[in-house]
Amino acid sequence: SQTIHQWPATLVQPVGSPLSLECTVEGTSNPNLYWYRQAAGRGLQLLFYSVGIGQISSEVPQNLSASRPQDRQFILSSKKLLLSDSGFYLCAWSRTGLLGYTFGSGTRLTVV
Amino acid sequence: SQQGEEDPQALSIQEGENATMNCSYKTSINNLQWYRQNSGRGLVHLILIRSNEREKHSGRLRVTLDTSKKSSSLLITASRAADTASYFCATDAVRSTLGRLYFGRGTQLTVWP
Repeated sequence: SQTIHQWPATLVQPVGSPLSLECTVEGTSNPNLYWYRQAAGRGLQLLFYSVGIGQISSEVPQNLSASRPQDRQFILSSKKLLLSDSGFYLCAWSRTGLLGYTFGSGTRLTVV
Repeated sequence: SQQGEEDPQALSIQEGENATMNCSYKTSINNLQWYRQNSGRGLVHLILIRSNEREKHSGRLRVTLDTSKKSSSLLITASRAADTASYFCATDAVRSTLGRLYFGRGTQLTVWP
């Protein structure tokens, strides 16, 4: 069966520090991968999506970047965090032709 | 940009009552999906309804879709305290060939025992 792993679960980082959040999928190949951010009490904002290794599309301009070094690995990064980067980050995967996303358990990032 | 908007933002009911949540969206869609999120957790896919369907059932869940009004509703019958969560609708826009989903802000459902 397919599983998605996301870590760490919580993270407190100072302003200006770098960020690396990792997401991996098991039990499937060629997944579509997504990074979402959820601000407190708000909906989910699509940040990045990827349909293959090295293929990254950004939905909104921001202080973050994403990479997909392997088929089932998706990384969210920042060189210098801002206070506004705080939020709940969710990774998800889907398959073309199969409907519905499977989400990871999320990372709560607090920038102080 | 967010495509779907849920209404109400918050809903509080007693166990055994039915809960109805609504979703409105802006552009033509391929399908509409409902997700549930327990506090501080990831989202869980509940049900999907395609643009050519009008109603769908799954257990205690009933989803309707009115493409002429660009709206959907999620009905949870005989609610339980364990149904307490946030519920989100998500749409897959017609022009999107990559399955990108756009979520609303959600309805926070509280079911009191």
